[in-house]
Amino acid sequence: GQQLNQSPQSMFIQEGEDVSMNCTSSSIFNTWLWYKQDPGEGPVLLIALYKAGELTSNGRLTAQFGITRKDSFLNISASIPSDVGIYFCAGQLPAGGGADGLTFGKGTHLIIQP
Amino acid sequence: NAGVTQTPKFQVLKTGQSMTLQCAQDMNHEYMSWYRQDPGMGLRLIHYSVGAGITDQGEVPNGYNVSRSTTEDFPLRLLSAAPSQTSVYFCASSYGGVNRYEQYFGPGTRLTVT
Repeated sequence: GQQLNQSPQSMFIQEGEDVSMNCTSSSIFNTWLWYKQDPGEGPVLLIALYKAGELTSNGRLTAQFGITRKDSFLNISASIPSDVGIYFCAGQLPAGGGADGLTFGKGTHLIIQP
Repeated sequence: NAGVTQTPKFQVLKTGQSMTLQCAQDMNHEYMSWYRQDPGMGLRLIHYSVGAGITDQGEVPNGYNVSRSTTEDFPLRLLSAAPSQTSVYFCASSYGGVNRYEQYFGPGTRLTVT
């Protein structure tokens, strides 16, 4: 399948700091999504992006669909302890590019230091 | 609404045994899918269904069968379990059409094959 390169792999931050993570691909995507997974649970959708250049917020979270359609960014402002978890980017390939589902990055593990 | 439910939560199988992982949703979603998650990896699509009676293969379908006889249920069958199928399995569902990638995930089934 198509590869999504997600970085950083892990982040150690202090409470209150802003967080930035990104996802890139060599292929063009029509849709970018960001999910969060807590230990022992399934992923939960945070933000969905459908248009190149689109910037969307969900509370303290902001995500952008890159102009080239090959990347996406997620920012978290003023981090709090419950932000800890693994953040996944996911993309949907254009029609004809493969199965009609999502391909996921390997995740960014966010750890908040006390 | 219970959302997406999966049973069992944990399962241990011996090589060669068969079993069915159950998935049900009560949101009248058209689209359902199965993913597997291996350590340090993102989720990979196994099979998906865009509606009752319709199923298709995802990225890693070998060794798995699915059926979709009702809108609510989407069981995943392992016909002859192999150690390579040790993983956490997630079922997901969503409304069909352009929003089908905004998926709701179940809590997962952790499967170990010895």
